[in-house]
Amino acid sequence: AQKVTQAQTEISVVEKEDVTLDCVYETRDTTYYLFWYKQPPSGELVFLIRRNSFDEQNEISGRYSWNFQKSTSSFNFTITASQVVDSAVYFCALRLYSNYQLIWGAGTKLIIKP
Amino acid sequence: DAMVIQNPRYQVTQFGKPVTLSCSQTLNHNVMYWYQQKSSQAPKLLFHYYDKDFNNEADTPDNFQSRRPNTSFCFLDIRSPGLGDAAMYLCATSGRTEGTDTQYFGPGTRLTVL
Repeated sequence: AQKVTQAQTEISVVEKEDVTLDCVYETRDTTYYLFWYKQPPSGELVFLIRRNSFDEQNEISGRYSWNFQKSTSSFNFTITASQVVDSAVYFCALRLYSNYQLIWGAGTKLIIKP
Repeated sequence: DAMVIQNPRYQVTQFGKPVTLSCSQTLNHNVMYWYQQKSSQAPKLLFHYYDKDFNNEADTPDNFQSRRPNTSFCFLDIRSPGLGDAAMYLCATSGRTEGTDTQYFGPGTRLTVL
């Protein structure tokens, strides 16, 4: 069975601090994809990144970076120098190669205080 | 810009009064999905269309139906809304349902049932 765990229900930091959101997944499949989505208070789910199981390279996009480690089945997301606009719920999700379904984590609510 | 559009953004209906939510896309994607998201939860897939082929999730209530008259549009019909159907309804699209497939979401329709 597949599963995604986001153990942090809520994180609160002061602006400009770095923050890491954890994501741990479970699957026995060898080909799969991992995703992060951001959901601001407006409600829209914004796609941030997709990673396939064969690519363990870390990725950096501006203040955002992602650390994918198959050895620990983790796909963590770090925001450097956080800003108030980063306040949102962040979802990690898993999809198997041949299955349309996204398996979602419970989400982490990130609060950035000014 | 290519996008997923949902109308209306907010919908209020009365208990038992049928309601239709709409979704359109300019991405020319083959697949369209409808999700239900209740407060503080991950999205829950209701059904999806691959072109004209309708795929219902096993636990989607019969009260929820969908229509896809063409590639660009998809509708969610709730035949007799109950108080428990109050939620955010998210439409998503993707090019296909396997491989390197990413779902892109619209802004959502927040449904209130009085």
